Amino acid sequence: GENVEQHPSTLSVQEGDSAVIKCTYSDSASNYFPWYKQELGKGPQLIIDIRSNVGEKKDQRIAVTLNKTAKHFSLHITETQPEDSAVYFCAASPILTGGGNKLTFGTGTQLKVEL
Amino acid sequence: GAVVSQHPSRVICKSGTSVKIECRSLDFQATTMFWYRQFPKQSLMLMATSNEGSKATYEQGVEKDKFLINHASLTLSTLTVTSAHPEDSSFYICSARDRGVAGELFFGEGSRLTVL
Repeated sequence: GENVEQHPSTLSVQEGDSAVIKCTYSDSASNYFPWYKQELGKGPQLIIDIRSNVGEKKDQRIAVTLNKTAKHFSLHITETQPEDSAVYFCAASPILTGGGNKLTFGTGTQLKVEL
Repeated sequence: GAVVSQHPSRVICKSGTSVKIECRSLDFQATTMFWYRQFPKQSLMLMATSNEGSKATYEQGVEKDKFLINHASLTLSTLTVTSAHPEDSSFYICSARDRGVAGELFFGEGSRLTVL
């Protein structure tokens, strides 16, 4: 099965700086890579995702890059703000018809943006 | 974006009782829903895959008689923790995928179960 590793486990940055979180995956069949933000006591929220037919995707201050050859993908947050502080999870899955494919999650990164 | 509603958000029960958690997709149809369990400061662990109109598929190590899953319609799945014990205390999260959209998965807000 799929195995997703995520680093670092904790990340502390100054407000305005950039934050980068990296993940690797093992199953070459995976072609869908979402990133989730989870605030304390809440469910994960999808913030950005990327599919294997592209190498980079950007949405305002958030960007994700994917290297299928090396089987790794990264989340980049620029101009960080205190409200970006949360736990971030990467995940991977194959996309199958019918919606039945399941995600494998990374172990999470606790991001703290300090004033 | 799509909304998944989970209820209750918090529940406290006595040991030995059963607790039902509901997961609803509010504005889309979900052929498949997923149930996760999350311990403090840990990642989400998939418990089972809930398929509308058929039996759920459980992950290895998850007791199907302990965690009953029902997916009676395209918008509702339920998880029942039977004869709950303190070690069942956890954060339970459901997710659903719009049957018309490949890939993207939406999560509920989670249910905090505390068994006394």
